Amino acid sequence: GAGVSQSPRYKVAKRGQDVALRCDPISGHVSLFWYQQALGQGPEFLTYFQNEAQLDKSGLPSDRFFAERPEGSVSTLKIQRTQQEDSAVYLCASSRTEGTAQETQYFGPGTRLLVL
Amino acid sequence: GNSVTQMEGPVTLSEEAFLTINCTYTATGYPSLFWYVQYPGEGLQLLLKATKADDKGSNKGFEATYRKETTSFHLEKGSVQVSDSAVYFCALSERSGGSNYKLTFGKGTLLTVNP
Repeated sequence: GAGVSQSPRYKVAKRGQDVALRCDPISGHVSLFWYQQALGQGPEFLTYFQNEAQLDKSGLPSDRFFAERPEGSVSTLKIQRTQQEDSAVYLCASSRTEGTAQETQYFGPGTRLLVL
Repeated sequence: GNSVTQMEGPVTLSEEAFLTINCTYTATGYPSLFWYVQYPGEGLQLLLKATKADDKGSNKGFEATYRKETTSFHLEKGSVQVSDSAVYFCALSERSGGSNYKLTFGKGTLLTVNP
C-alpha cells in the first residue's frame, strides 16, 4: 500500500506561533516514531508510540513539544510558541510490529519547518 | 549513550569508481546496524542492514559487514553510478527502555558521482 505520508511538506511560522505537523503511517503499523533533522545533521529521535500509547518522549527538547496518536494511526506533533531553533525537518517513521532491533523503520518525506 | 560516527563528506567520485564510506559505532549492547539513503527530494530509505556480528548486508550492489571487533559497518560498492548520488546515513538500533528501538544516526555523507 501507500507509504508514510506527512503534511504539510513545508511550513513557515513566525516566532511565537503554534504549529501542528501530521503523520499518516503505513496502515496497520503498530510503532510510530518522530525524529528531528537539523540542517547538515542526521535525524535525532524525539518520541515513540506503540499504537496509541506514547512509550518514550525522552527526545522532546522542551515542554513546548507535544505529540499524540489518539486512535493508534495518525499522529500529530505540535510545537507551541515556536522558536528559531525549532527550524528543522521533522520526520515520521513507522514499523510493522511493537518493535525489535532488527525491524525496518519506513520514513515519510518529512515536514520542513522554518521559523522566522 | 549510543553514537554513530561516519566519514564526513562530501565525497565526489567518477562513475565506475570504488566507494567506501566509513562508519563506526559506540553501543552498550548488541545493536542492529543500518545504512539508509536519501536521494534528492525524497525521504530516507533503507539500503541494507545487519543484525549480528559478521553478518553482511547487501542491496543494489552495496555491501556492509557488521564487525563487532572493530565496532564498524563500512559501506562499499565496487562500481558507482551517477544514480547513486545521494546522502548516506549509518544508523544503529538498540533497545533503550520498554519496547522502544529507536534509531541513532550518523551525520550523513553526501556522495556525488560524476559521469
